[in-house]
Order: sequence, then structure tokens, then C-alpha cells
Amino acid sequence: NAGVTQTPKFRVLKTGQSMTLLCAQDMNHEYMYWYRQDPGMGLRLIHYSVGEGTTAKGEVPDGYNVSRLKKQNFLLGLESAAPSQTSVYFCASSYGGMRTNYGYTFGSGTRLTVV
Amino acid sequence: GQQLNQSPQSMFIQEGEDVSMNCTSSSIFNTWLWYKQDPGEGPVLLIALYKAGELTSNGRLTAQFGITRKDSFLNISASIPSDVGIYFCAGPPNAGGTSYGKLTFGQGTILTVHP
Repeated sequence: NAGVTQTPKFRVLKTGQSMTLLCAQDMNHEYMYWYRQDPGMGLRLIHYSVGEGTTAKGEVPDGYNVSRLKKQNFLLGLESAAPSQTSVYFCASSYGGMRTNYGYTFGSGTRLTVV
Repeated sequence: GQQLNQSPQSMFIQEGEDVSMNCTSSSIFNTWLWYKQDPGEGPVLLIALYKAGELTSNGRLTAQFGITRKDSFLNISASIPSDVGIYFCAGPPNAGGTSYGKLTFGQGTILTVHP
């Protein structure tokens, strides 16, 4: 099983450019998440989804949009990239309901640099 | 929101030494999770704790759910070079409500093991 797959792995953007980060999971998980990781700050939740067609804001949603048109895919969009969005982005998925406390499966990350 | 504080922020140890790290919160958590992140990869779940006072082992790793439910501890015995990485504690916020699978992460403990 592939688990959680993120594409691309690396990207450099110019300020103001847009891009979409792709996340796909093959575990039939209900819940999916986007986190960003910055040095000394751990992982912070950007947006999440509790099922196909649903999305919700996390701790740091500004400047990002998401979509979950299919259960297995969760897309993160940056409409107008800013240097403050330079970070490593992780997608994760988990079972829904009472099984969510069993933890996430993470992708291997996308390292984004905005210049 | 609820925050998790990990200590120490970094550790430099010799191969064979034991390691101890902890995670504290000002709020109660009903679940504690410990993750390890290898360089260039996403975090991987090591241990999950679900009851106050619970002590759980996974090979050379042992974690404990604090009696006050506001802290957790991770110990690694007889460290080896492949233990290098960042160790995160995490838990679902809103102990008395619905977290929709969201996790709050600590800022991480960076472990370096010298051969």
C-alpha cells in the first residue's frame, strides 16, 4: 500500500504565484488534514476535512484554500504565494469517528520555498 | 488554544545512553500520542496512550500517560544512531468535546546520537 502520497516533493515559487499541493490516500480514511511545519513551532493545522465534500479551517488557514471532491484526495491551494508561506507542508489522514484517536498516517511532505 | 510544551528542545547523546523527554500542557488531554520524524520524512506514530497512568512500550521505547492527564513522558533505552530525528508529542484538543480528529502537536525534541 502507498499510504499517503504528496506531490510535488519540492517547489520554488515567486511571490504572487499560485500553486496546488496534491495529497492522495489509499486507506479509505474519512478524515484528512494539511499541516505546515516550521522550525521550533511543531506542526500547525491549516485546514482539514471530515469527509468527501467537506472542509474546515484549522489554526492557520489564512492564504490557503482546500478542496475534497473525492474521498481519497485533498488539495491545498495557494492563490498568491508570500514568503511567509515558505515551509514544509504535510498531508495526513485518519479514520473517522471513535477511531480518530489512533493517530494519523502522514505523507512525506512538500518543501515549498517562496522567493 | 491548547498548547503542548516539549522538553528538552534538543539533545545530544552518545550511542548506548538512555533518553528521557516530556510533554506538558495546561489543559487535560484524554489521549497522548508520540511520533518520530526521520530527516526528510513525515512523522510516524510510535506509541499511543489512552488512560491516565498507562505505561506502554514499543521495543526500546516506553511512554507514560501522566496521572494528572496534563503530561506525558517518553523514554528511549540504549540509544542507537537510527534513533536520530525529531520526536513529537500530540493529543486531541477539546478533551470534553469533539475534536474531529484534529491533533495539537508539541514543538518537538531534536535528538542527535553520536556513534
